[in-house]
Amino acid sequence: LAKTTQPISMDSYEGQEVNITCSHNNIATNDYITWYQQFPSQGPRFIIQGYKTKVTNEVASLFIPADRKSSTLSLPRVSLSDTAVYYCLVGDNTGGFKTIFGAGTRLFVKA
Amino acid sequence: KAGVTQTPRYLIKTRGQQVTLSCSPISGHRSVSWYQQTPGQGLQFLFEYFSETQRNKGNFPGRFSGRQFSNSRSEMNVSTLELGDSALYLCASSGGTGRIGGYEQFFGPGTRLTVL
Repeated sequence: LAKTTQPISMDSYEGQEVNITCSHNNIATNDYITWYQQFPSQGPRFIIQGYKTKVTNEVASLFIPADRKSSTLSLPRVSLSDTAVYYCLVGDNTGGFKTIFGAGTRLFVKA
Repeated sequence: KAGVTQTPRYLIKTRGQQVTLSCSPISGHRSVSWYQQTPGQGLQFLFEYFSETQRNKGNFPGRFSGRQFSNSRSEMNVSTLELGDSALYLCASSGGTGRIGGYEQFFGPGTRLTVL
């Protein structure tokens, strides 16, 4: 069964770059790794997705090493509004396909 | 484009009762997934429906069931409620046709279920 591990919480200051790493083993070999952001009283919101190497979009970058046993979400120049919980999501083929969310990393951005 | 909607937003039930939650996906999306979110267990995958068929299933007991209609709207049912079923139930839709892990999922605001 796929297992994910993320830091429980992180603190940062406005304008800094934040890197959040998710460790994941036994993930589905042909599936993507996805990151979501969640604010209180809302459903998660898609940030970025990748299969391997590096992916960048307008809000974040995602680094995935060749062995795909981890992934790192990079948020450049965070602001107060980036205070949220960040989840990695992977696929698991054990006993039929299912998606596995990490436990989430609570990011607190300070002024 | 309207987002994913879930009804009701809040629900209070007692142990032993059953409950039905509803989810309307984004127009054109045929994949609908359900998740349970609790402080202790986090976000857990319940099941996914695609074109009226359950395509994938998580590790939940048979008391949790679902269905999808021809217009892609989905319902989730929990029978014989237990205190531990108190949670936020999230529905997500996806416009992809392949496995949900490969596509962006759009989440609704959730239904907060409290079991007394």
